[in-house]
Amino acid sequence: DIVMTQSPDSLAVSLGERATIKCKSSQSLLYSSNNKNDLVWYQQKPGQPPKLLIYWASTRQSGVPDRFSGSGSGTNFTLTISSLQAEDVAVYYCQQYSTIPITFGQGTRLEIK
Amino acid sequence: EVQLVQSGAEVQKPGESLMISCKASGYSFSSYWIGWVRQMPGKGLEWMGSIYPGDSDTRYSPSFRGQVTISADKSIATAYLQWSSLKASDTAIFYCARHLRPARPEVIFDYWGQGSLVTVSS
Repeated sequence: DIVMTQSPDSLAVSLGERATIKCKSSQSLLYSSNNKNDLVWYQQKPGQPPKLLIYWASTRQSGVPDRFSGSGSGTNFTLTISSLQAEDVAVYYCQQYSTIPITFGQGTRLEIK
Repeated sequence: EVQLVQSGAEVQKPGESLMISCKASGYSFSSYWIGWVRQMPGKGLEWMGSIYPGDSDTRYSPSFRGQVTISADKSIATAYLQWSSLKASDTAIFYCARHLRPARPEVIFDYWGQGSLVTVSS
């Protein structure tokens, strides 16, 4: 199985500041035929289902604010929130879809400092 | 508007059987894979498996194969998750979710149900 490891486990950032969450996979997620990385980022707020933010490691889902961005390739990926808003308090998960079984990172809890 | 509406909370005893449902609307149900995700209390997300309602092609995580059955009835646009004998460790929230691209199995979930809480306790 591909192991997804996120860092940090929790993060506190001031409003308006940048938040950075990292995700490392135990195998490369780069799909050579299309040069895309099979990685997704989700946001989950308390009591709600997850919400799709980013897929193909860097493609923002329709309707997602542009302060959210994804980057990285191969085994190392980053989710960046450029200017933290109060509504961004949530747990963030990365997930690989390169190989079955599909696996998620353990989650990163983002709070306001 | 795409919607996935799941069945309500269940309280069951160990050894009992259970089927929960996920009713889809607002899109062509047969054309999109739909998956199930487990979230145990206070824990992270686990992919259980996905089904393509168009031909019932089903893919399971090895961790859940043989433990649950995923099915779909395209005549009523509903997907199901079924247990034949529940265990206390099955206590969790279960989400159904639609795959992003029509007819493509890559597991990118764009629409999610509200979740079904299953509690298994004697």
